[in-house]
Amino acid sequence: DTAVSQTPKYLVTQMGNDKSIKCEQNLGHDTMYWYKQDSKKFLKIMFSYNNKELIINETVPNRFSPKSPDKAHLNLHINSLELGDSAVYFCASSPYRDGNEKLFFGSGTQLSVL
Amino acid sequence: GENVEQHPSTLSVQEGDSAVIKCTYSDSASNYFPWYKQELGKGPQLIIDIRSNVGEKKDQRIAVTLNKTAKHFSLHITETQPEDSAVYFCAASIQGGRDDKIIFGKGTRLHILP
Repeated sequence: DTAVSQTPKYLVTQMGNDKSIKCEQNLGHDTMYWYKQDSKKFLKIMFSYNNKELIINETVPNRFSPKSPDKAHLNLHINSLELGDSAVYFCASSPYRDGNEKLFFGSGTQLSVL
Repeated sequence: GENVEQHPSTLSVQEGDSAVIKCTYSDSASNYFPWYKQELGKGPQLIIDIRSNVGEKKDQRIAVTLNKTAKHFSLHITETQPEDSAVYFCAASIQGGRDDKIIFGKGTRLHILP
């Protein structure tokens, strides 16, 4: 039983396309996140949601739009994909309402924009 | 804002020896310091964390030390084993606010040599 599952695991697409990554957690956590990991392994937060409410939006281009239909799901939609969007995107969740304690990460979605 | 520096970027140790990874942080208000382990093709996994009111914490072969005055903290792995090979990330955050962010170091790739 995967705690934080995201799909797809690999995503290869052309520049200019629109794509979505889905994330679901079955841990009952209130808080969910999207992180971006670049080719040098640097991890940076993009968004956080607490019980469907946007908490952190970390200067991400507005081509990226998170959507949380319920507190167990946080999807990421990306419009007009650019070469620089190529990275591994991680969904995460936390049992804590405040802050970033004890993050549980999914296994990542490797996005390659050609 | 907070800045976390992590050293070394790569570390090779003989199986059975100890490994030490060091991090420094810039914001004296930071009070929560987790360490994550990322194996190939997987998301980061929390292995140990420490709060600012504690100087040291141990969990089997893993220990973390914190020096608040010097603003640095370290991860110690004793009796290293092949399965310890991974990328390790330190992080720092200020607990207490809903929009507090966690800042990760750039990672240390640990190789355990047979």
